[in-house]
Amino acid sequence: KAGVTQTPRYLIKTRGQQVTLSCSPISGHRSVSWYQQTPGQGLQFLFEYFSETQRNKGNFPGRFSGRQFSNSRSEMNVSTLELGDSALYLCASSPSGANEKLFFGSGTQLSVL
Amino acid sequence: QQQVKQSPQSLIVQKGGISIINCAYENTAFDYFPWYQQFPGKGPALLIAIRPDVSEKKEGRFTISFNKSAKQFSLHIMDSQPGDSATYFCAARGATQFYFGTGTSLTVIP
Repeated sequence: KAGVTQTPRYLIKTRGQQVTLSCSPISGHRSVSWYQQTPGQGLQFLFEYFSETQRNKGNFPGRFSGRQFSNSRSEMNVSTLELGDSALYLCASSPSGANEKLFFGSGTQLSVL
Repeated sequence: QQQVKQSPQSLIVQKGGISIINCAYENTAFDYFPWYQQFPGKGPALLIAIRPDVSEKKEGRFTISFNKSAKQFSLHIMDSQPGDSATYFCAARGATQFYFGTGTSLTVIP
């Protein structure tokens, strides 16, 4: 079985721009969660999507949004980028919930200049 | 507010030594405590996990010790090897998500 695939691996953007990240979960997994990883902060939960619906949300501003398609693939969007948004964004899939065993992708490294 | 506190931030151990990473939590509703291992350029991968009704779980060279009354748990890596050099995250499961510690960067010196 293929693992969780995230694209692109690296992104460089400037302040004020917006960005879209993509995640393809493991086949059969219906839950996709997104995390922000920064040095010193660890992994911070952004949100979870299940069956095309946002089921849970972390404590991030509305500039961070996402969606899930009928094939369980998910996208995350960050609008009006700020310098502090520079981070590794990780996607994790699980069969049916964000609090089950998580399988992570390799992440998208976003740099905001 | 960090729900799971992890220490140390970094750790250097000689090959063959014991690596110990500690985590503490406050929410007694957490019911599952995994450890994740992350190599550079990769996402975290589940290493070992424990439930709060068990005080210790061992898998090969990796052991979790769990102290429910103190709300603390730790990862012990016996006979540490250079290949164990990675970042380790503890986590705790809540009702809807996992809460992660801030990570420990482990370097094992040959």
